Amino acid sequence: AAGVIQSPRHLIKEKRETATLKCYPIPRHDTVYWYQQGPGQDPQFLISFYEKMQSDKGSIPDRFSAQQFSDYHSELNMSSLELGDSALYFCASRERGYDTQYFGPGTRLTVL
Amino acid sequence: KQEVTQIPAALSVPEGENLVLNCSFTDSAIYNLQWFRQDPGKGLTSLLLIQSSQREQTSGRLNASLDKSSGRSTLYIAASQPGDSATYLCAVSGNTPLVFGKGTRLSVIA
Repeated sequence: AAGVIQSPRHLIKEKRETATLKCYPIPRHDTVYWYQQGPGQDPQFLISFYEKMQSDKGSIPDRFSAQQFSDYHSELNMSSLELGDSALYFCASRERGYDTQYFGPGTRLTVL
Repeated sequence: KQEVTQIPAALSVPEGENLVLNCSFTDSAIYNLQWFRQDPGKGLTSLLLIQSSQREQTSGRLNASLDKSSGRSTLYIAASQPGDSATYLCAVSGNTPLVFGKGTRLSVIA
């Protein structure tokens, strides 16, 4: 069965650089969620999209932005990267009418 | 603000034992509760989802229960195996997307 695809799987950036993370949801899933998991921490909700519109916003820094495109894939754009942004970034998708969120394998971002 | 607590933080058991992981949440106004498994440095695998109207869900050797009024859920793992070693996270969904607990790190010793 198709799963959530995230790219890249690993990313190394310098401080103050920018990064773009991509998420491709499971086919027919119209809702996408982004979560950040710091080292030894639980995942924290950042932002979500439903039918290409932002549906909810969590603890996403102003330096980050995200959008969902017409094919339902989503991109998380991160600017002015800080050391504290080093984390696993998960994308999850959900199909309308169902509750289960399916998580991708994550993108490990390391900021040096 | 919803807070999710998982006890114990870590658990080590010999192979074959039955075990229970606990999860509690402060706001009982939830839509559902999910249990996830996470291997070190890996993604989250959904194990079970319990709707707020349900009391329990079962999948193979796993059984999850939900007592919404008391804000508690348990994950029961029967006949544990070394391959069950991982971190188990519970997460609740309410007016906001998933709020996670910090997880229980399980080690099953052969």
